[in-house]
Amino acid sequence: DVKVTQSSRYLVKRTGEKVFLECVQDMDHENMFWYRQDPGLGLRLIYFSYDVKMKEKGDIPEGYSVSREKKERFSLILESASTNQTSMYLCASSFQGTGNQPQHFGDGTRLSIL
Amino acid sequence: GQQVMQIPQYQHVQEGEDFTTYCNSSTTLSNIQWYKQRPGGHPVFLIQLVKSGEVKKQKRLTFQFGEAKKNSSLHITATQTTDVGTYFCAGRNDYKLSFGAGTTVTVRA
Repeated sequence: DVKVTQSSRYLVKRTGEKVFLECVQDMDHENMFWYRQDPGLGLRLIYFSYDVKMKEKGDIPEGYSVSREKKERFSLILESASTNQTSMYLCASSFQGTGNQPQHFGDGTRLSIL
Repeated sequence: GQQVMQIPQYQHVQEGEDFTTYCNSSTTLSNIQWYKQRPGGHPVFLIQLVKSGEVKKQKRLTFQFGEAKKNSSLHITATQTTDVGTYFCAGRNDYKLSFGAGTTVTVRA
């Protein structure tokens, strides 16, 4: 079974702090994704990566950056946390392959910015 | 950009009844995927539809992809308490999936 592991289940930080969310997958997937999930808005894509050191902006990249130094690890960085970034953050991974591969999600990090 | 709209947002169902949730895209999709998220859990892939007019079944769940590849539906028959959760459709373009807001299903026993 695919395992996508997010470093923290719950996290509380203060406004202005630099916040790191870590995600590791064990299936040698090329693609990795960061989403945030808010009630009534579904999952919104923040950033994704289709290879090491490659990154692409998703639909809501403002206030975030990412890092992919190793294939199995994809980090989401909040440069200066703000209260409107309080949310559930979900990491996902998938094979690149031909066609369209399903995404496998981690358990999520519920981040609160005070 | 691509938008995927999903209705209804909430579905309260009597156990044993049927219901349908709908997904509509502003653009033609290369494929559509459906995910289920149980309360407190993470989204789990259910199925993918690729061909125009495609219909797939998983036990009591029937998934359909529209002829124009701009809409999809999930129909659940004889709803059970195990069907509780949020069902998301996600339309695919290039590497990205655009998720709908989800239909949250509760079941009255």
